[in-house]
Amino acid sequence: IQMTQSPSSLSASVGDRVIITCRSSQNIVNYLNWYQQKPGKAPQLLIYAASSLQSGVPSRFSGRGSGTDFTLTISGLQPEDFATYYCQESYTTPRTFGPGTRVEIK
Amino acid sequence: EGLLVESGGGLVQPGGSLRLSCAASGFTFSTYVINWVRQAPGKGLEWVSAISPTGKGTYYLDSVKGRFTVSRDNSKNTLYLQMNSLRAEDAAIYYCTKEDGVLHLASDIWGQGTMVSVSS
Repeated sequence: IQMTQSPSSLSASVGDRVIITCRSSQNIVNYLNWYQQKPGKAPQLLIYAASSLQSGVPSRFSGRGSGTDFTLTISGLQPEDFATYYCQESYTTPRTFGPGTRVEIK
Repeated sequence: EGLLVESGGGLVQPGGSLRLSCAASGFTFSTYVINWVRQAPGKGLEWVSAISPTGKGTYYLDSVKGRFTVSRDNSKNTLYLQMNSLRAEDAAIYYCTKEDGVLHLASDIWGQGTMVSVSS
């Protein structure tokens, strides 16, 4: 399974609504997860099963989609949200990650 | 909550070997699939390997098959990755992750990572 993400990077301001898209080459139902990674840190799980918010993750993060097309939305970007975001399918092995989307400060 | 701590990284020459360890605490280690995920400098995340809770099932990225071996000792709550015939392209931070079936097989716990450098 191949995973793609768009855009590869974006610039946004605090308070903006940001949407990141992830697409899989095959139907993965809802076995799609989103991770956030800050520089020098390990990734952290944000969303699992396409739309379920991981415990402790702020509600401004949301996920949608099924099949092959998925989105991660950040509603009201905060300073701590500037990071790289990865999608990952957990439908098969290898558990393929998308190439990442870097969210930068405008 | 749970914690994973990797160790064993370092500098090795091409063709050399290294064994990584991942020590788990705070959860019932023996009941979870554990993965290895790597990240080359400035690059994205790449899944490398996984092992079933009993250790009987092992899975690998095609490019490491035959060179890497994943194993676990549930009595010690520890995961291992034996890496042989190392190549320059294996240089990366290696993370171990706990995969949770309740969370649709997402990795909810990650270690801090251990750096592997391959250079002559």
